[in-house]
Amino acid sequence: AQSVTQLGSHVSVSEGALVLLRCNYSSSVPPYLFWYVQYPNQGLQLLLKYTTGATLVKGINGFEAEFKKSETSFHLTKPSAHMSDAAEYFCAVSDWTGGYNKLIFGAGTRLAVHP
Amino acid sequence: EAGVAQSPRYKIIEKRQSVAFWCNPISGHATLYWYQQILGQGPKLLIQFQNNGVVDDSQLPKDRFSAERLKGVDSTLKIQPAKLEDSAVYLCASTLAGGGETQYFGPGTRLLVL
Repeated sequence: AQSVTQLGSHVSVSEGALVLLRCNYSSSVPPYLFWYVQYPNQGLQLLLKYTTGATLVKGINGFEAEFKKSETSFHLTKPSAHMSDAAEYFCAVSDWTGGYNKLIFGAGTRLAVHP
Repeated sequence: EAGVAQSPRYKIIEKRQSVAFWCNPISGHATLYWYQQILGQGPKLLIQFQNNGVVDDSQLPKDRFSAERLKGVDSTLKIQPAKLEDSAVYLCASTLAGGGETQYFGPGTRLLVL
């Protein structure tokens, strides 16, 4: 069965510093991978996704992620953190068990950005 | 284009009471999902509909939870009777066809069971 591990439940960075949020997955088939962001009291919003093709995926708000099959990773990065990036981030992998697609989410990483 | 709508946004009930949540997906989206998000955890799928039929309810506690999607549009998730451990955010999401495309999420209903 597919699974997702997010290393670090809390990450704190300074404004302007590099953001790196780690995600490792387990999948028996070529995965579709997603990063979602959740702001307080809101639903999840898609940041970016990988399905096929180019392994470096660019998303909204300056975020990007690289699919590394050999490392079974899909880490999320942003070169320069902004205060507005403070939120919870979820990595997810598609699960096609039963012939229908569903998402398996990691436990999430809460990003804090301080001045 | 309107997003996924959910109501109510917040609900406080006592244990053993019943509660219902409503979701209106994006117009034209055939697939609808209900997720449970417990504090400190990622969302967990409870049930998935394709049009008005259930395609996955393997993680739905069927002794107390039920859901329906009449006419393949709106959906209602019910809990009866509620337990303390049901305190969570209940998220509704939809996709056009249920493939690997993006799931669009509503704002969620935050449930507190006392």
